[in-house]
Amino acid sequence: GAVVSQHPSRVICKSGTSVKIECRSLDFQATTMFWYRQFPKQSLMLMATSNEGSKATYEQGVEKDKFLINHASLTLSTLTVTSAHPEDSSFYICSATRTSAIYEQYFGPGTRLTVT
Amino acid sequence: QKEVEQNSGPLSVPEGAIASLNCTYSDRVSQSFFWYRQYSGKSPELIMSIYSNGDKEDGRFTAQLNKASQYVSLLIRDSQPSDSATYLCAVILGNNDMRFGAGTRLTVKP
Repeated sequence: GAVVSQHPSRVICKSGTSVKIECRSLDFQATTMFWYRQFPKQSLMLMATSNEGSKATYEQGVEKDKFLINHASLTLSTLTVTSAHPEDSSFYICSATRTSAIYEQYFGPGTRLTVT
Repeated sequence: QKEVEQNSGPLSVPEGAIASLNCTYSDRVSQSFFWYRQYSGKSPELIMSIYSNGDKEDGRFTAQLNKASQYVSLLIRDSQPSDSATYLCAVILGNNDMRFGAGTRLTVKP
């Protein structure tokens, strides 16, 4: 159990366009979903935390108008990178926690975004 | 002081040896601790959680927690080349935020 999927796994887009990444919990209802970004050879950086039906809580330094998060249901959260720029190129990973184990995060496989 | 600190490595051990990975944290009221494994180009995978002082064993993995010293470690017995990865320590802080260490890169040489 505790499988999280992400789509797409890889995406290449042109500078100035927007990209949407989906995160789904496949076999459980996710109390909370998290979005992380990871640059090469660096650790995970938490971008935002979202609970179903609520506005996401963004970490300091993360632009909420640029990284739009929608958590419409207990199994789906989306991250939209708006007006993407090359410096947004990164590995974006979502995670989710179950109601029964709110601190154990299960990660999706990640989305590699390249902005040209 | 960083909230969660790990030696970045690389840590290199021969196949069959015990690999010891260490992590310290700054928030004294932290109660929940996790070890994740991340292969290159992949997302992290939860391998161990520990909440109480002492040792917790799961197969070849043993997590050790010492809250007084604010120290948590992961031992991997009989290390295999397939254990080569970056190991991330994660801590739930007193405000319920989870923070990850920078990770320790482990290489197990055949």
